Amino acid sequence: DAGVTQSPTHLIKTRGQQVTLRCSPKSGHDTVSWYQQALGQGPQFIFQYYEEEERQRGNFPDRFSGHQFPNYSSELNVNALLLGDSALYLCASSQHLAGTTETQYFGPGTRLLVL
Amino acid sequence: EDQVTQSPEALRLQEGESSSLNCSYTVSGLRGLFWYRQDPGKGPEFLFTLYSAGEEKEKERLKATLTKKESFLHITAPKPEDSATYLCAVRNYYGGSQGNLIFGKGTKLSVKP
Repeated sequence: DAGVTQSPTHLIKTRGQQVTLRCSPKSGHDTVSWYQQALGQGPQFIFQYYEEEERQRGNFPDRFSGHQFPNYSSELNVNALLLGDSALYLCASSQHLAGTTETQYFGPGTRLLVL
Repeated sequence: EDQVTQSPEALRLQEGESSSLNCSYTVSGLRGLFWYRQDPGKGPEFLFTLYSAGEEKEKERLKATLTKKESFLHITAPKPEDSATYLCAVRNYYGGSQGNLIFGKGTKLSVKP
């Protein structure tokens, strides 16, 4: 059973550029959440997708956008990159079941370095 | 504002020396407290979910407990392979069953042989 996968594993970009990160959820999962983890910090919630719509959003600017595809995979796009966007970007998947509290399972992350 | 505070920031133990990690939280209606383990440069690995005060869960050398204000992760007779950063997270009532997780900064555990 494949877990959450993310690509690429590492990425180096220059300030002002745009980047797209990809995530495939764990088999059977339909909800994808994205988190940003700066060095030495805990993950911070960016947004969550379910049924191809953004359902919740954290305190991140509009430069951060996303998409979910019919096969439940997801993309995170960041425009006009800043040095402060350098971080580990984590994707987490879960299964939406009414009346339960679902556990989020994380992928290995994409390490983004902005120069 | 929902908040999670973990202590200590770092903990060094000798192999076999038991100890506890603390997670204090303030949340608008707890809808789950989660413990994860994270190895350097990797994604968090799920360990436990606790839902209500008094609940306890165990896995190998780890035992998680929950009160109305904090959670403890007890490590019994740790081994070097237990070295990692342990993250605590909460989900609040308003986020619903799929609500986002609010993380603490983690406790970095080092176990020396």
